[in-house]
Amino acid sequence: DTAVSQTPKYLVTQMGNDKSIKCEQNLGHDTMYWYKQDSKKFLKIMFSYNNKELIINETVPNRFSPKSPDKAHLNLHINSLELGDSAVYFCASSHRLAGVMYEQFFGPGTRLTVL
Amino acid sequence: DQQVKQNSPSLSVQEGRISILNCDYTNSMFDYFLWYKKYPAEGPTFLISISSIKDKNEDGRFTVFLNKSAKHLSLHIVPSQPGDSAVYFCAASAILGGSEKLVFGKGTKLTVNP
Repeated sequence: DTAVSQTPKYLVTQMGNDKSIKCEQNLGHDTMYWYKQDSKKFLKIMFSYNNKELIINETVPNRFSPKSPDKAHLNLHINSLELGDSAVYFCASSHRLAGVMYEQFFGPGTRLTVL
Repeated sequence: DQQVKQNSPSLSVQEGRISILNCDYTNSMFDYFLWYKKYPAEGPTFLISISSIKDKNEDGRFTVFLNKSAKHLSLHIVPSQPGDSAVYFCAASAILGGSEKLVFGKGTKLTVNP
């Protein structure tokens, strides 16, 4: 029983296309995240949603749009894909309480390759 | 601007010996530190954490040490086992820009040789 799942695991597409990555968690967490791991191997936060509300929105191009239909899902839609978008994208979830840090649970990642 | 640095990209140790992974940070606002372990083609999994009010936290074979004055933390694994071979990420948490965020290091690839 997977805690945080992502689909697809691999995504190969042409420049200019629009694609979506889906994420679901069954841990009952109220906060979900999207991270990007680029070629330099840094894991960087992109977005965070708490109870379907956007709470973190890093400096990410407008082509990236997260959508949270409910607390258990956070999808990432990318418009007009560019070569530089090639990376591994990780979804994560956690509990969140002001002033308390809870560990985040990560999905297996989606490797996006833009040709 | 790397706020969390893992200066050793790789480390190789013999089975049964101690593995020491190091991490340095620059932002004094970080108040919680975590270590994650990552196998190939999988997401990072939480290993152990430490609050800034402590200097040591132990969980089985894993111990994390925090030296706030030096802005340095380390993960000790003893004894090391071949199954510990993975990439280890150090992460630090603080309220940055109004929200709690985790900032990750670049990772250290640990290889434990039988």
